[in-house]
Amino acid sequence: ELKVEQNPLFLSMQEGKNYTIYCNYSTTSDRLYWYRQDPGKSLESLFVLLSNGAVKQEGRLMASLDTKARLSTLHITAAVHDLSATYFCAVTYYNQGGKLIFGQGTELSVKP
Amino acid sequence: NAGVTQTPKFQVLKTGQSMTLQCAQDMNHEYMSWYRQDPGMGLRLIHYSVGAGITDQGEVPNGYNVSRSTTEDFPLRLLSAAPSQTSVYFCASSRQVRYNEQFFGPGTRLTVL
Repeated sequence: ELKVEQNPLFLSMQEGKNYTIYCNYSTTSDRLYWYRQDPGKSLESLFVLLSNGAVKQEGRLMASLDTKARLSTLHITAAVHDLSATYFCAVTYYNQGGKLIFGQGTELSVKP
Repeated sequence: NAGVTQTPKFQVLKTGQSMTLQCAQDMNHEYMSWYRQDPGMGLRLIHYSVGAGITDQGEVPNGYNVSRSTTEDFPLRLLSAAPSQTSVYFCASSRQVRYNEQFFGPGTRLTVL
C-alpha cells in the first residue's frame, strides 16, 4: 500500500525558533514534493526532491531527502509569522501511473 | 497564461443531484488529475488522465466520472451526489506523467445536503 505519513500534524512555534517536519513514505518512490497551503487557498509548490541526499533551500525553509530511510524533512529556521500555513509532502510512484500520494499535512502556526 | 482554472468556486447540491465540476488548463499539459481534500486526510486522488482520451482511477473513484476529450479540459462528474462527497475539490496538471510537478487550480468547495 502506498502511504505517506507526516508528523507532527499540528505545530505551534514561537517566532525565531527552529523546528523540523518529518515525512515518511512506505515504498520506493521516484520523487518527493513539498507544498504549502494557506487557509482557503490552493497548493503552492515549494520543493521537488529527486534523489538520495538531495537538499533544497528557499529562505527559511530547507528540505532534504533520504531515500534509504524513505524519509524527507522540512526544516524551518528562525520561524516568522508569514510561514504560518499547512505544509504537505507528496510522493509520486511512476509505476502506479504517476499517482501523487499526499501526507495528511502539518498545520504550522507561528506566534510572535 | 491563466494556468489551471476551475468552476464553480462554490456549489451546494441536494442529495441525489448530479453536476459537473469544470477544469481547464492552457499550458498544454498532458497529465491532469482531480483530488478531494478533507480535514486531516491530505489530498486524495480521485481520477487522473495521462492524455486526451485516456483516464484512470485514483484512490477514491467511486461516485465520480471523468472524460478527457481535449488536452485542455478535464471535467469531473458527480453522478448522484451524497453528503460524503462534501469536500474541497482540486484539479491539477503537469507537463508529463514523468515530470510530475503539479500545478493546482483554485479549488471548488462543494456541500451536499
